[in-house]
Amino acid sequence: EDKVVQSPLSLVVHEGDTVTLNCSYEVTNFRSLLWYKQEKKAPTFLFMLTSSGIEKKSGRLSSILDKKELFSILNITATQTGDSAVYLCAVVSGANSKLTFGKGITLSVRP
Amino acid sequence: IAGITQAPTSQILAAGRRMTLRCTQDMRHNAMYWYRQDLGLGLRLIHYSNTAGTTGKGEVPDGYSVSRANTDDFPLTLASAVPSQTSVYFCASSDSDRTGELFFGEGSRLTVL
Repeated sequence: EDKVVQSPLSLVVHEGDTVTLNCSYEVTNFRSLLWYKQEKKAPTFLFMLTSSGIEKKSGRLSSILDKKELFSILNITATQTGDSAVYLCAVVSGANSKLTFGKGITLSVRP
Repeated sequence: IAGITQAPTSQILAAGRRMTLRCTQDMRHNAMYWYRQDLGLGLRLIHYSNTAGTTGKGEVPDGYSVSRANTDDFPLTLASAVPSQTSVYFCASSDSDRTGELFFGEGSRLTVL
């Protein structure tokens, strides 16, 4: 059974801190890994990773994939209160592009 | 504005009632999905459709049915709602050529009493 595990489940930081969110996976026929940010409503797309070792970056957010060790990290530097959200990791696998989500990481950034 | 529209935004209904959640997309995506999101359990796939005319069961399909008569619409029906189906439901779509990136609707909050 395909599995995606995110850690920690939740964390609280102060503005300006740097955080690292983890996502490990066990799937058959890996195709890609996706990160989403979910605030009050719909998840919004952040990154898609398909190759090991290539960092994707968008402003203060960056992410990297390790296909040998089967994990990805999402880094947020100089956190702001607007970064408070649930961060979801999902893995696409198999010939039919099955998508398996982790349970999400709740990040709270305090002023 | 292109995207996915879900209706209703929220609904309270009595147990035993039939309910259909509507989902329409205008991006001409082949694949569409229904997820439910519950605290501590994350997003779980209920049903999916890879293309118009076909549907498949996800992780938690019991008590739900879907249809995909055309590319744009993917309604989710609860034939006889039960309290355990209280949840937030998200419809999503993807362009199958883009390796899985999903576009989500705004969600439908359903409370079954």
